[in-house]
Amino acid sequence: QTVVTQEPSFSVSPGGTVTLTCGLSSGSVSTNYFSSWYQQTPGQAPRTLIYNTYTRSSGVPDRFSGSILGNKAALTITGAQADDESDYYCVLYMGSGIWVFGGGTKLTVL
Amino acid sequence: QVQLVESGGGVVLPGRSLRLSCAASGFIFSDYSMHWVRQAPGKGLEWVAVISDDGSNTYYTDSMRGRLTISRDNSKNTVHLQMDSLRAEDTAVFYCAREGFTFGAFDYWGQGTLVTVSS
Repeated sequence: QTVVTQEPSFSVSPGGTVTLTCGLSSGSVSTNYFSSWYQQTPGQAPRTLIYNTYTRSSGVPDRFSGSILGNKAALTITGAQADDESDYYCVLYMGSGIWVFGGGTKLTVL
Repeated sequence: QVQLVESGGGVVLPGRSLRLSCAASGFIFSDYSMHWVRQAPGKGLEWVAVISDDGSNTYYTDSMRGRLTISRDNSKNTVHLQMDSLRAEDTAVFYCAREGFTFGAFDYWGQGTLVTVSS
């Protein structure tokens, strides 16, 4: 089964820019995978950030953007803030009704 | 406003069954596909199952295939997840999520219900 890969951890300075990626153990991610991104803090339900590769969910600040970078889906956070410190998950559509989440990236802002 | 409220979690013996429910409100339930996503303690999110708006199509994760049945009652605005032959590794918080009109947009999530499989 194809594995969805994410960086286990990442660090960014306050005000800085960070790009998290979402790839495949085999193959390239394209818009056909309908990538979406979710933010989660401990004990809370996930919050939707980006869906269908590029579309920002309602109420999400434009500091968050989605894209395809090379062969991966990407989430870019510009002007990082302390409350961006969270776990970030991507999910990809594998076809035949099946979705697969990546392992998540723990983002530290320091 | 959109609300999703899961229930039915608890402690269950290995090998037993459990049925989770997700009560929806604040939107036209029958217009949306619904998903279940789980999260084991200290682990990441795992997609579990989806049911189409009219209930005619269902899909499941390979890791639980054969032990799951997702269903919905559009007259009661509720989606269910029947889980059979539960194992210790099925211990997790189970979330239901609405898929928005854009394909794959899990736009609203419930707060989750904890399932603990233990003897």
